[in-house]
Amino acid sequence: GAGVSQSPSNKVTEKGKDVELRCDPISGHTALYWYRQSLGQGLEFLIYFQGNSAPDKSGLPSDRFSAERTGGSVSTLTIQRTQQEDSAVYLCASSLVVSQGWTDTQYFGPGTRLTVL
Amino acid sequence: GNSVTQMEGPVTLSEEAFLTINCTYTATGYPSLFWYVQYPGEGLQLLLKATKADDKGSNKGFEATYRKETTSFHLEKGSVQVSDSAVYFCALSDRGGGNTPLVFGKGTRLSVIA
Repeated sequence: GAGVSQSPSNKVTEKGKDVELRCDPISGHTALYWYRQSLGQGLEFLIYFQGNSAPDKSGLPSDRFSAERTGGSVSTLTIQRTQQEDSAVYLCASSLVVSQGWTDTQYFGPGTRLTVL
Repeated sequence: GNSVTQMEGPVTLSEEAFLTINCTYTATGYPSLFWYVQYPGEGLQLLLKATKADDKGSNKGFEATYRKETTSFHLEKGSVQVSDSAVYFCALSDRGGGNTPLVFGKGTRLSVIA
């Protein structure tokens, strides 16, 4: 079946501009995660959605970062007033929720490479 | 807090050599442990996982055993191939703590030469 898809695959923007990154999870997966992969910091968790629960935003690095998930499916990660240090690959993952408080294996999308000039 | 420490690379091996990539973890609950692989130009793929102590995960000739007594999940393969060249990430998900986002190690780059 179809995997996690992300768009765009590459995004180049100027410092100070806003960007939106999109994630389409695997159909039926109610848990959705955003991570960031950068040379200096490795793989970092950003935000986590599970069903109708309030999202876990504990990994967002600043208030310039936000995300929403509409209809329990597609998610958009928005970065406002981008800075050069935001340059990274942004990864989305999705998983099933097997039981209360526990989720199954996470499946990752190909990522969006963001370059802030 | 939860953390994962894995050996720094890069690791360079000749084809058919034995591979070990060390991974140790710190967790407050009862974590599940994972190895993900990232081949050149591709996204993260799950390689194997183990969800409880003494479980062995295996896939594509790779295996790792969940050792609670040593808080380790070392990745091994008996005979590597050039096609195994990739970056390998050890990760945990802490089920008991209700903190299910993955915590990753820094990654280990493996290069296998013919």
